[in-house]
Amino acid sequence: EAGVAQSPRYKIIEKRQSVAFWCNPISGHATLYWYQQILGQGPKLLIQFQNNGVVDDSQLPKDRFSAERLKGVDSTLKIQPAKLEDSAVYLCASSRLTGKNTEAFFGQGTRLTVV
Amino acid sequence: AQKVTQAQTEISVVEKEDVTLDCVYETRDTTYYLFWYKQPPSGELVFLIRRNSFDEQNEISGRYSWNFQKSTSSFNFTITASQVVDSAVYFCALRNSGYALNFGKGTSLLVTP
Repeated sequence: EAGVAQSPRYKIIEKRQSVAFWCNPISGHATLYWYQQILGQGPKLLIQFQNNGVVDDSQLPKDRFSAERLKGVDSTLKIQPAKLEDSAVYLCASSRLTGKNTEAFFGQGTRLTVV
Repeated sequence: AQKVTQAQTEISVVEKEDVTLDCVYETRDTTYYLFWYKQPPSGELVFLIRRNSFDEQNEISGRYSWNFQKSTSSFNFTITASQVVDSAVYFCALRNSGYALNFGKGTSLLVTP
């Protein structure tokens, strides 16, 4: 079974530029998550989708971050405009079910550096 | 409020030593779920175990074991006879009333030959 795929693996941009990340979850997984992991910290949930609907986006900085999951499969996360403090690893994860006792499977992440 | 504390930032052991990674959590909910993930240098988080608040049975899986104690709000992880391949950052996480996994800051484990 293929894992969660993310691209690109690395991205360097200047502040105020825009950037987009792509995620392809495990086949058949209805739930998709985007997490932000700042160096030295644990991942923090940005947004959770159930199929193509948003379940939780309470920690997403909506003034600059947006995410979509068209057709309930692939997802993109966009930052516009980027700030220095957005430098982090952006992890995508998916799970088969939405239940709170369900484990999530993570991709390798996209490491973003904003200069 | 819910919180996960992993007080050990870095641990270094020599191969074949046993090592315990501590996790202390805070939550007001009676129903909650605890997780451990491993993050090797490749970056992806690898799921290790899940525990719900009603199941205090300890679990052993090969060289890995977990000790869940509600009385002390702890969910500790022990690696027996550590190996170099165990070197990684280990995260404890809590999920209760919301959907988000709340992660601790992680413990970086280095196992040297």
